Amino acid sequence: SYELTQPPSVSVSPGQTATIACSGDALPKSYVYWFQQKSGQAPVLVIFEDTKRPSGIPERFSGSSSGTLATLTISGAQLEDEADYYCYSTDRSTTHREFFGGGTKLTVL
Amino acid sequence: EVQLVESGGALVQPGGSLRLSCAASGFTFSSYSMDWVRQAPGKGLEWVSYITGSSNFIYYTDSVQGRFTVSRDNAKNSLYLQMNNLRVEDTAMYFCVRLPDLDYWGQGTLVTVSS
Repeated sequence: SYELTQPPSVSVSPGQTATIACSGDALPKSYVYWFQQKSGQAPVLVIFEDTKRPSGIPERFSGSSSGTLATLTISGAQLEDEADYYCYSTDRSTTHREFFGGGTKLTVL
Repeated sequence: EVQLVESGGALVQPGGSLRLSCAASGFTFSSYSMDWVRQAPGKGLEWVSYITGSSNFIYYTDSVQGRFTVSRDNAKNSLYLQMNNLRVEDTAMYFCVRLPDLDYWGQGTLVTVSS
């Protein structure tokens, strides 16, 4: 079955670079999206189509994807970046399926 | 301004039914496919269902297939999720989400299935 795998947690100090990985066998065939979710709030799109950043998202957020691995990078993490991050992709090889990774808790301290 | 506002969540007993609604505004609703995504308490995000703008194509995650029905009324700018035969494991916050980029999410409506 199709799955997206993320590390449960990542910790960085303020100003350091945070890297969150997402792996999945079908990633070469589909775009990856990344969402930030703070406690008690709805998710917010931070990266779409592997590398694109929506308007209003700080430039320190960037995405990349190569083969079966996608990466969200936060360059110079801020305290306000502490949140859960989810990757997302789709599988339309035989039918329509959408998948989220299990989520990564980013701690900035 | 794009807005998605869910409603209809409640406490319901196992085996019961519930209908969720999502009111959309600020964009041409009929031009967009829509998703329902849920999140169980303390857990991650899970895709539930997908519907195209014209309702031509509809898909569900396996665990709700045959129990949930997604629909929309483009004249009313509204998305719906009819949930039947609810199970304890359906307990979650349910979000409606605009596609293709999942760029707008509602605030969610809470469904609790418990006896």
